[in-house]
Amino acid sequence: QSVLTQPPSVSGAPGQRVTISCTGSSSNIGAGYDVHWYQQLPGAAPKLLIHGNSNRPSGVPDRFSGSKSGTSASLAITGLHAEDEADYFCHCYDFSLNGYVFGTGTKVTVL
Amino acid sequence: EVQLVESGGGLVQPGGSLRLSCVASGFTFSSYWMSWVRQAPGKGLEWVANIKEDGGEINYADSVKGRFTISRDNAKNSPFLQMNSLRVEDTAVYYCARETVAATDGKSYFDYWGQGTLVTVSS
Repeated sequence: QSVLTQPPSVSGAPGQRVTISCTGSSSNIGAGYDVHWYQQLPGAAPKLLIHGNSNRPSGVPDRFSGSKSGTSASLAITGLHAEDEADYFCHCYDFSLNGYVFGTGTKVTVL
Repeated sequence: EVQLVESGGGLVQPGGSLRLSCVASGFTFSSYWMSWVRQAPGKGLEWVANIKEDGGEINYADSVKGRFTISRDNAKNSPFLQMNSLRVEDTAVYYCARETVAATDGKSYFDYWGQGTLVTVSS
């Protein structure tokens, strides 16, 4: 069972901006732990998209950005592309569980 | 190029056992924590277990504690997941993932993933 809550789906037209929220609690995001984001294309393994709340690995387009505030984090895609259609998951450490937790996942649809 | 290749998945009856393997290449395996993460069909990601670089520290999700055992062989560049007392709810694709520890909070993110191996628990 996921302890990080994400909206099940978001959608937008090509070129639009969409955001995905990741809501946690005082034992994970609110405790100051970093939030990371992964993209999972259909039929593929997850791929690291954002680490340390807002850092993009080499090769990730700058239309992807992350932020964190309080017990929540957000992923923004600015200038949506057709190839961005995928599932997106947030991830953080939870000290009450003494382990890593993932968000419930958000499916991004490009209209 | 970093590569992680899992194997060992398959069909097993409830109560049975399976041992998953992962072969790592393209990086100094003995310098990284390694994790297993699973994904039930059509569902989200669930972290299962991880193991420190030298095997000296191991952690498990509550859902598998006492049933699964993670280990590693640094000479073979491989982490393993021994799964016993398997349940229907363990059915999932199991991914091997490399961890990189963040300097900010001392916890990890998963920067490389294998393609996964499917475990199906069914009678």
